[in-house]
Amino acid sequence: LAKTTQPISMDSYEGQEVNITCSHNNIATNDYITWYQQFPSQGPRFIIQGYKTKVTNEVASLFIPADRKSSTLSLPRVSLSDTAVYYCSLFSGGYNKLIFGAGTRLAVHP
Amino acid sequence: NAGVTQTPKFQVLKTGQSMTLQCAQDMNHEYMSWYRQDPGMGLRLIHYSVGAGITDQGEVPNGYNVSRSTTEDFPLRLLSAAPSQTSVYFCASSYQASYNEQFFGPGTRLTVL
Repeated sequence: LAKTTQPISMDSYEGQEVNITCSHNNIATNDYITWYQQFPSQGPRFIIQGYKTKVTNEVASLFIPADRKSSTLSLPRVSLSDTAVYYCSLFSGGYNKLIFGAGTRLAVHP
Repeated sequence: NAGVTQTPKFQVLKTGQSMTLQCAQDMNHEYMSWYRQDPGMGLRLIHYSVGAGITDQGEVPNGYNVSRSTTEDFPLRLLSAAPSQTSVYFCASSYQASYNEQFFGPGTRLTVL
């Protein structure tokens, strides 16, 4: 099953746009890219999912290039409450498995 | 809807003891799964189920058993607890075994002495 690689940590300031890039060089044809957010002492929460090109919802955008070997989660105008760990994950349709990366710890400063 | 519920929230076991972590969902989801989360390692899939009566292994299944007799419940059994199983355990569910988002429970923090 394909693995994902993402930065261990990032820092930002309130009001800035944050982009977190995830590498998944061995992504399979039927894998979907999914991002989750996790606050301390809570379970992960779904943010966004995509297969290719660009997906946007009310909280984030997901950019996936044509080769699908990487993806970028974009959080517009972050606030202090966006401080969390963000997980890039792959849902393998062929194996019915959701495989998580190690996560990126985002700290948003005033 | 209560969503995904897990019991207990905390548990301390001695090496060799057995126990069952409970997971239930009231959303009529077909797909359920168990993860463990260790510091710096993200979440790792233990077992999953695509429907009642069907289970399969994830990345780290050794030392754990599951069964799925109903759509709502998906208990995780530790047969003989070991210190290496000290972790936070999360149960999750989704509408079907596809690319739908998964809903996670609040977790069970397990310590094995």
